[in-house]
Amino acid sequence: GQQLNQSPQSMFIQEGEDVSMNCTSSSIFNTWLWYKQDPGEGPVLLIALYKAGELTSNGRLTAQFGITRKDSFLNISASIPSDVGIYFCAGQLLGGTSYGKLTFGQGTILTVHP
Amino acid sequence: KAGVTQTPRYLIKTRGQQVTLSCSPISGHRSVSWYQQTPGQGLQFLFEYFSETQRNKGNFPGRFSGRQFSNSRSEMNVSTLELGDSALYLCASTPEGTDTQYFGPGTRLTVL
Repeated sequence: GQQLNQSPQSMFIQEGEDVSMNCTSSSIFNTWLWYKQDPGEGPVLLIALYKAGELTSNGRLTAQFGITRKDSFLNISASIPSDVGIYFCAGQLLGGTSYGKLTFGQGTILTVHP
Repeated sequence: KAGVTQTPRYLIKTRGQQVTLSCSPISGHRSVSWYQQTPGQGLQFLFEYFSETQRNKGNFPGRFSGRQFSNSRSEMNVSTLELGDSALYLCASTPEGTDTQYFGPGTRLTVL
């Protein structure tokens, strides 16, 4: 099936550092979404991207929808301890057979040392 | 607006039993999607309902089924539970005109 390759798998950073993670695919996506998940909870939406080339910010977070529609990245600036968690990219493919179906990356586990 | 709610939050069942999970979408959202999350397979799509109709289905056996009611609330059912069904089951609702899904807190199912 369709897959999203998300990297890196994990990151260990110091508080205050910037973080970057990305997702790539061989398929074209109509929408790119970035979520954060804490243990035992559901994913929380961080940023939604709808157009190729779109660059969107949400506080210290910035994400971009790749021009080829096959990739996206998420940057976190000046990390703080509460940024700890698992970050997922997700995409919605074009077409009617994709109703309500997001394809998810494997996740990036972020650890922030105070 | 209240977020997506799921009940129960935790369930423990034994092999062979069946289970029903419930999801209430955000008010006004008519699309509800269900996912299974496991450490090995990640987030896998189960099915999607819109206006009481299943529009899409993932690659899961027929033991997994769902339905949606006229108020957009949805349930999923798993019959003849297997150990491998232990997972976090997530539902998400989507406003019309977008693909943006908003997730509930999930139901943690443990099969013994």
